[in-house]
Amino acid sequence: NAGVTQTPKFRILKIGQSMTLQCTQDMNHNYMYWYRQDPGMGLKLIYYSVGAGITDKGEVPNGYNVSRSTTEDFPLRLELAAPSQTSVYFCASSYEALPHFGNGTRLTVT
Amino acid sequence: GESVGLHLPTLSVQEGDNSIINCAYSNSASDYFIWYKQESGKGPQFIIDIRSNMDKRQGQRVTVLLNKTVKHLSLQIAATQPGDSAVYFCAENRIAGGTSYGKLTFGQGTILTVHP
Repeated sequence: NAGVTQTPKFRILKIGQSMTLQCTQDMNHNYMYWYRQDPGMGLKLIYYSVGAGITDKGEVPNGYNVSRSTTEDFPLRLELAAPSQTSVYFCASSYEALPHFGNGTRLTVT
Repeated sequence: GESVGLHLPTLSVQEGDNSIINCAYSNSASDYFIWYKQESGKGPQFIIDIRSNMDKRQGQRVTVLLNKTVKHLSLQIAATQPGDSAVYFCAENRIAGGTSYGKLTFGQGTILTVHP
């Protein structure tokens, strides 16, 4: 049982490039989330999903897109990378109220 | 927007001491609170949670206390060990009705350092 798996672990992007952060969970959780963590700060919610085909914005959605075509996968898309998106990105999933987190993707935009 | 914050950004203790990490929250509608531990290079790891209909909850070596009157919660770690060194976050949510599952508001975090 792997839990929540995120790939890649590290990535460096140039300004204006695009990329997709992958997230998959094997716990059959309906709820999935993307958070970002800036240095010395707590996590902030980017997007979330309550089930396949359903997504909604969180606190900081600008510059990101998501999709949820299956229960297991919840990819996060950055279309035009900006330095302000330099952060650590965490995916999480839950059955109900308690999210379980992956180990993150550290993204640097230069 | 409402937020959850921490009183102390760093805490240093000796191995074997008890540790207390504090957290203040401002959303009086919050009814669910979680403490997470985050080690370097890893995601937040669940420690313990508490719902607003409780004042205290105990786990293995950890206790969470909730004071709704002053909107404060604390995490107590008994007999702190070097392996407890990490950043500790409190997070809050309002889960009544089930529509906000997982939409947590995190505090800034407290760095706990345990000296052997």
